[in-house]
Amino acid sequence: DAGITQSPRHKVTETGTPVTLRCHQTENHRYMYWYRQDPGHGLRLIHYSYGVKDTDKGEVSDGYSVSRSKTEDFLLTLESATSSQTSVYFCALGQAPNSPLHFGNGTRLTVT
Amino acid sequence: GQQVMQIPQYQHVQEGEDFTTYCNSSTTLSNIQWYKQRPGGHPVFLIQLVKSGEVKKQKRLTFQFGEAKKNSSLHITATQTTDVGTYFCAHAGGTSYGKLTFGQGTILTVHP
Repeated sequence: DAGITQSPRHKVTETGTPVTLRCHQTENHRYMYWYRQDPGHGLRLIHYSYGVKDTDKGEVSDGYSVSRSKTEDFLLTLESATSSQTSVYFCALGQAPNSPLHFGNGTRLTVT
Repeated sequence: GQQVMQIPQYQHVQEGEDFTTYCNSSTTLSNIQWYKQRPGGHPVFLIQLVKSGEVKKQKRLTFQFGEAKKNSSLHITATQTTDVGTYFCAHAGGTSYGKLTFGQGTILTVHP
């Protein structure tokens, strides 16, 4: 969808290297989320943001950090990538707490 | 946080057969949302249920929220090949920041 863009779409990296995924929105939504999707686990929340510079942890936040310096962008950083972080990462937007989410197209990350 | 169990994990049907997926919780849910993810795609919001006993329909899809608000179901009548994908239920937790927790999903395969 045009209102939310994830970059890159695919990335292969080596264990121990830092990786940053970007989520950019043009919808002016206050709430932004990072999920990871793995077979058998569904979608699991990593971190979320409820405003500029306001972020909090989700259920699988270990090994990840986030930043939101402006409304449009929500960055997810893997400080030192591990093979267990190989996954598909989805960014999502919400207008309000508990409102339906609008997902980006995802980033497929492979850590070798 | 509250967990939702979704069953079955997989469902294979012949085109024209009906399909149902169930979402169950041990605790009362404030609301339930349903999403569909096509193979290789991203989750797309279908519907939200809020009221006890609520039933909503979208063409061949019927969504129900249990009287006790502890379970929900999605029923598809006369499946078509376009129904292929993974169906997720999700609920928002009790915090004011709306962390959406997803079930594991049901993968639907439709054989023509």
